[in-house]
Amino acid sequence: QSALTQPPSASGSPGQSVTISCTGTSSDVGGYNYVSWYQQHPGKAPKLMIYEVTKRPSGVPGRFSGSKSGNTASLTVSGLQAEDEADYYCSSYAGSNNLVFGGGTKLTVL
Amino acid sequence: QVQLQESGPGLVKPSETLSLTCAVSGYSMSSGYYWGWIRQPPGKGLEWIGNIYHSGNTFYSPSLKSRVTISVDTSKNQFSLNLSSVTAADTAVYYCARGVATRHFDYWGQGTLVTVSS
Repeated sequence: QSALTQPPSASGSPGQSVTISCTGTSSDVGGYNYVSWYQQHPGKAPKLMIYEVTKRPSGVPGRFSGSKSGNTASLTVSGLQAEDEADYYCSSYAGSNNLVFGGGTKLTVL
Repeated sequence: QVQLQESGPGLVKPSETLSLTCAVSGYSMSSGYYWGWIRQPPGKGLEWIGNIYHSGNTFYSPSLKSRVTISVDTSKNQFSLNLSSVTAADTAVYYCARGVATRHFDYWGQGTLVTVSS
């Protein structure tokens, strides 16, 4: 199984929206509605932001949203804030009780 | 509030076995959920290692399956990771987490750095 493909970096100014993509195959992202997104600040553990493509855990701001089209999932952060600057990782169920992560995207708030 | 805490040696010699334990508080493992290990080499991305169900059923990453064993002790509310024949490539921060099936992880430990070096 190969890692999901994410852009290494993304950026936006405060108040703007930014979208991070996560590309897989029909065996993972495209085959199941089990894509998740995690936010990780330096030196901290990852935090679940989106699960099952579009669902937000309690406490996650509504500025974070997820979607999927074919083999590509996306995370959109609207109304960027300084505290959104972090690394973001996607993951997907890959069948047969396997899970695969993306390589991560560093989001910079300009 | 569910909390997880990793513990174990921070330094392991090449070819030896890496052993870590994750203590769970605020939730009884025997009540359900999956319990997983994820690692992150310094400066790199996340890699799923494997999960265990409270009943003891295990699910491992195909790339690590030959070297990984995950076990659970519900009486102590903890689960463990053994990774055999380690090399420098196994140097990473190791996280334990609570899994919703093999779909996503909703609670994570703070992580523990394990360095493989002689």
